[in-house]
Amino acid sequence: QSALTQEASVSGTVGQKVTLSCTGNSNNIGSYAVGWYQQISHGAPKTVMFGNSLPSGIPDRFSGSKSGTTASLTISGLQPEDEADYYCSTWDYSLSAQVFGGGTKLTVL
Amino acid sequence: EVQLVQSGAEVKKPGESLKISCKGSGYSFTSYWIGWVRQMPGKGLEWMGIIYPGDSDTRYSPSFQGQVTISADKSISTAYLQWSSLKASDTAMYYCARRGGVGATIDYWGQGTLVTVSS
Repeated sequence: QSALTQEASVSGTVGQKVTLSCTGNSNNIGSYAVGWYQQISHGAPKTVMFGNSLPSGIPDRFSGSKSGTTASLTISGLQPEDEADYYCSTWDYSLSAQVFGGGTKLTVL
Repeated sequence: EVQLVQSGAEVKKPGESLKISCKGSGYSFTSYWIGWVRQMPGKGLEWMGIIYPGDSDTRYSPSFQGQVTISADKSISTAYLQWSSLKASDTAMYYCARRGGVGATIDYWGQGTLVTVSS
């Protein structure tokens, strides 16, 4: 059982806007910035968002936000190459450990 | 350019020991925490632990405490993950990752090391 809860799967069509969510508690998301990681076909993960900041090279159709103990990753103008597994992660001070969500499989129809 | 380059794939037998590595370059290795992440076949990402190479401060996820050892040699900018006695259930892909983003977030990842444990 993951400390952070994500949707198992989300789908959207090319050009659509989709939002992935990540729910935790006051010990983790409520206290720390959240990172989002893209994993295509079980290759190495790639960081697509940390906090509300976009890493260099990541298209600006990706955006991040947080409200209380839920973080969100929004992809505006979905592209075929966005099809991947997406994981959220942050620090949990009660566990003294980094925690991950179970991952969301994003399908581009 | 920041890079984390991991050692190659390993095939081991149960009971054998193993040490895999992650070499950092393009940044001050001693100034950022380096973590290890396990991904078992067909499963999600699991945090194993983290080390600060500057002073070797190491923290383990409760699930991995006592099961693995994380270390670093700052003279060669390399972090390590080791097992003293492998089990078949250790078969997985292992990633190193730098914690250098906003807050406690990861910004760079290694390419992964596949460890296969089979008799």
